[in-house]
Amino acid sequence: SAVISQKPSRDICQRGTSLTIQCQVDSQVTMMFWYRQQPGQSLTLIATANQGSEATYESGFVIDKFPISRPNLTFSTLTVSNMSPEDSSIYLCSVEENSNEQFFGPGTRLTVL
Amino acid sequence: GESVGLHLPTLSVQEGDNSIINCAYSNSASDYFIWYKQESGKGPQFIIDIRSNMDKRQGQRVTVLLNKTVKHLSLQIAATQPGDSAVYFCAETYNYGGSQGNLIFGKGTKLSVKP
Repeated sequence: SAVISQKPSRDICQRGTSLTIQCQVDSQVTMMFWYRQQPGQSLTLIATANQGSEATYESGFVIDKFPISRPNLTFSTLTVSNMSPEDSSIYLCSVEENSNEQFFGPGTRLTVL
Repeated sequence: GESVGLHLPTLSVQEGDNSIINCAYSNSASDYFIWYKQESGKGPQFIIDIRSNMDKRQGQRVTVLLNKTVKHLSLQIAATQPGDSAVYFCAETYNYGGSQGNLIFGKGTKLSVKP
């Protein structure tokens, strides 16, 4: 399976600031996704990162709050904008291989004070 | 929206015993199911998957059973080891084979293995 890395692995941020999370894959993949995992909770899909076009957001998530870039088939960024303590979560990127098998990165643990 | 849930939030087993983790799903249109293992501080790790045209699939020490009649999924781990301690998530999706990523995750079961 593809090797997925994320930067930063963790961060502590102040309320009102923004953080950009990077996801790098060691091979070209068509489908990349961003998930949120709130403390002690399961994973929720934020959006599908589309290469060359705007991301597709799930219900409850908007581009102004979570802008996403996908400049090529190996890289994507997720920005968490105007952060509040409620944004404290683990943010994970994933890639799809072999028709529906999804593999996840290690996650970025974000704490907002 | 429809969601996947789990019967047991925590499970404690003795090393060497078999573990069974259960999951209920509500979307009868779901045609593809995955079990993930998430260790502390790490992303979910793909364990095993099953398509809706199957009722059983075996991997190395793991077996997934699918009962579409009652919309139930289970993960069986044989000879559970301390390294199996983690949170296990089931996930469902539909339109297998199509390019989509809307995995719906269950709440997770924490498996603790006692030496």
